[in-house]
Formats: sequence, C-alpha cells, structure tokens
Amino acid sequence: AQSVSQHNHHVILSEAASLELGCNYSYGGTVNLFWYVQYPGQHLQLLLKYFSGDPLVKGIKGFEAEFIKSKFSFNLRKPSVQWSDTAEYFCAVKKGSQGNLIFGKGTKLSVKP
Amino acid sequence: NAGVMQNPRHLVRRRGQEARLRCSPMKGHSHVYWYRQLPEEGLKFMVYLQKENIIDESGMPKERFSAEFPKEGPSILRIQQVVRGDSAAYFCASSREGLQGLLSYEQYFGPGTRLTVT
Repeated sequence: AQSVSQHNHHVILSEAASLELGCNYSYGGTVNLFWYVQYPGQHLQLLLKYFSGDPLVKGIKGFEAEFIKSKFSFNLRKPSVQWSDTAEYFCAVKKGSQGNLIFGKGTKLSVKP
Repeated sequence: NAGVMQNPRHLVRRRGQEARLRCSPMKGHSHVYWYRQLPEEGLKFMVYLQKENIIDESGMPKERFSAEFPKEGPSILRIQQVVRGDSAAYFCASSREGLQGLLSYEQYFGPGTRLTVT
C-alpha cells in the first residue's frame, strides 16, 4: 500500500540548531508534495509545496525542502530553529490526479530556549 | 479573507447518539475534503466532495458515516450511533478547482472538530 513515512517521532533541539526532518513516500508516479505545520492548539498550516520544477522549494518562516525523486524523499530543513518553531510537522503526498492527501504520522519538534 | 471554518470546535456525544460536523470552505473553493486524526496518528483521508457530488469516499467507514456538500450551505459529516472509537479530531480542508481538472492546488485546513464520545 502507498504510504508516507516520517522517520522521527519526536525531535528535541536547542535554539539555533539546524533541523532536518525526513519524509519518504512509496508511490512511483507523479506526485505533489507538501509539508504542513500544526502549532499547539492550532490548525494545520501549509509550510511549503512542490508541484514541479526546481526540486529545492522555499517555504514560509525560513523552511525549505528538497525533492529527490530517485530517493522518493522530500526532507524538510531549516538552518537555525527558534523556540517558536515548536510544533508538529506533517509531510503529505498527493498522487497524480487524485484529490486527497496521504499524510505521514507527523514529527513533534520541541525547541529548547 | 476568511479561512476554512468548522463548527462546532468541540462536540461531546454519548454512545449511540448522532454527531454532525460542519465545514464551510474558503471563499472561491469548490472542493472539500474530510480527514480524521486519531491520537498519535497522522491525518487519514475520509471523503472528497464537490458541490452535490461525492468524488471519492474510499476512506469512509462503510457504516454509520456519511457526508454531503449541498448546493447551498456547508459540508456536513454525519456519524450515526457514535461509539468510543469515533473519538478523534475531524479536519476539513478545501481547495480551488485545479487547472484542466488536474487538482493541482493545495488544500487549506480548518481548525478541526474534536469529537469525544462518552
């Protein structure tokens, strides 16, 4: 079955540390890729998306992600995290012309001040 | 520019009662999606609707669950005879119509409805 895997369940970092959250998917066709963030008590917000073109995608709040087709990966990165980045991060895949998103289980990020 | 709206935000039902969850998409959006989030799990797709049409309900449980998106008014997710296992956060998302029907636009999420079944 097609799936989306996020490797880390909980990541704890100090402020100013660099962040990389892994995301792999198992679908071989055309995909659109997304990272969403859910701050405590809030709804999901779109961080960034990849549809086509440059595989290095820049999002809001200094986040970026790189689509590596050969590795079926779409890892999220940020060079220097802040306490306010504490949240849960979800990777999601949309397959071809299908409408729905397939989500990973999420990674909780805790940033210590 | 109002985002996706869901109500109620919290809903408590006793076992056997019915739960009705409402979702109003963003202005200009004609596609609505429902997802369910169980504790320690990511969001799971339930159903995808356009106005007056169910496009994909492959994620819906076969019994007790139904969804509609009428010509006028919000989309409704209805759960009949709720059980404890239905306790979860239910999220609605909406998107614009994609170019040439390719559905390439991102989905915007509402704040969710937390359903608790006692």
